[in-house]
Amino acid sequence: SAVISQKPSRDICQRGTSLTIQCQVDSQVTMMFWYRQQPGQSLTLIATANQGSEATYESGFVIDKFPISRPNLTFSTLTVSNLSPEDSSIYLCSVVSGDGEQFFGPGTRLTVL
Amino acid sequence: GNSVTQMEGPVTLSEEAFLTINCTYTATGYPSLFWYVQYPGEGLQLLLKATKADDKGSNKGFEATYRKETTSFHLEKGSVQVSDSAVYFCALSSTGGGNKLTFGTGTQLKVEL
Repeated sequence: SAVISQKPSRDICQRGTSLTIQCQVDSQVTMMFWYRQQPGQSLTLIATANQGSEATYESGFVIDKFPISRPNLTFSTLTVSNLSPEDSSIYLCSVVSGDGEQFFGPGTRLTVL
Repeated sequence: GNSVTQMEGPVTLSEEAFLTINCTYTATGYPSLFWYVQYPGEGLQLLLKATKADDKGSNKGFEATYRKETTSFHLEKGSVQVSDSAVYFCALSSTGGGNKLTFGTGTQLKVEL
């Protein structure tokens, strides 16, 4: 199994600012993902965080809006830039363990005013 | 592309009632199928999974059978408890998809005494 922590757990931000979310895993993992869960909606994959290289973004998500860093195999950050109220969501990181099971962090609840 | 369709919620049941939450999918190849559960105030947890046709995943009294012929993975439990109240997500990971998950919209279950 993998234990994942995220910081912050929640934040309230002003329109036009940015928020950086940290994801820390208690073991080295190859695959790490960032998801968004909009209010009352399901989870949507934003990108795959690749260690040592640029993240791979899903359709509809771009690096300028959601820059991602992955400096090592236990840590990643997601920045949500130029915030608007439509960015209010829960952001979750997930990792895939050695046996292929995917574990999710507790999420970061973002509210944009 | 891949997609998952779940029955609409919320579903309200009395304790000890039988539960079925329908899930159908569209995917290329031979996906792995999952049910995740999100209890109130908690993160997403894997409930059960099945990786090939006719496999039955089971956990905590819940079961789901991978039906390739009907492209379905319905979640069932013979006797629900109040503690089962949560949001349930059906998801798939397609062959060669790099463990990326596609989620259904989620079904909220409320179990009453």
